[in-house]
Amino acid sequence: EDQVTQSPEALRLQEGESSSLNCSYTVSGLRGLFWYRQDPGKGPEFLFTLYSAGEEKEKERLKATLTKKESFLHITAPKPEDSATYLCAVRGGATNKLIFGTGTLLAVQP
Amino acid sequence: KAGVTQTPRYLIKTRGQQVTLSCSPISGHRSVSWYQQTPGQGLQFLFEYFSETQRNKGNFPGRFSGRQFSNSRSEMNVSTLELGDSALYLCASSLGPLPSETQYFGPGTRLLVL
Repeated sequence: EDQVTQSPEALRLQEGESSSLNCSYTVSGLRGLFWYRQDPGKGPEFLFTLYSAGEEKEKERLKATLTKKESFLHITAPKPEDSATYLCAVRGGATNKLIFGTGTLLAVQP
Repeated sequence: KAGVTQTPRYLIKTRGQQVTLSCSPISGHRSVSWYQQTPGQGLQFLFEYFSETQRNKGNFPGRFSGRQFSNSRSEMNVSTLELGDSALYLCASSLGPLPSETQYFGPGTRLLVL
């Protein structure tokens, strides 16, 4: 069964303390891995799309990487405004449905 | 370019009623997908439309239905509402139907069933 698992469920960082969020997946024939950021009461905001192992993408303090089994979202020197839930989703397998993980709730304290 | 818009933003209904939610995709986007988000189940796929045709469907009962119009706008309908249907309903659009294409989400419609 196609599955996406994110860890940790919650993460508290001090401002400037870098860390990584993990997204592991089991899907045959990956068509795309997507990272989104979601603020409370709002829709997910697109961050990155990765397609193949070894691919990396960067945007400001965020960098996403992809291997054959997992993806990492690295946050360098985070700021309080980076506090949000980060969602990982994959598409592929037999159904090609977009399957989401349960997210990592990130809190960055000043 | 305007993003995905959803109306209404908030809705309160009672059990047994029905509800229709509307979604306007980003201009030029022809594919629309719907998701239900709850604290317990997270984001779950409802259905996907492209060129007025349902291309994919999630594991939801037949009370949940949708359609897409020729201008790519989409509606979803939930009949005979249950308490468990209380959720944030999200619409997402993409350029076309390819699985590799990025979906962009709207702000959602918060539905409360009493």
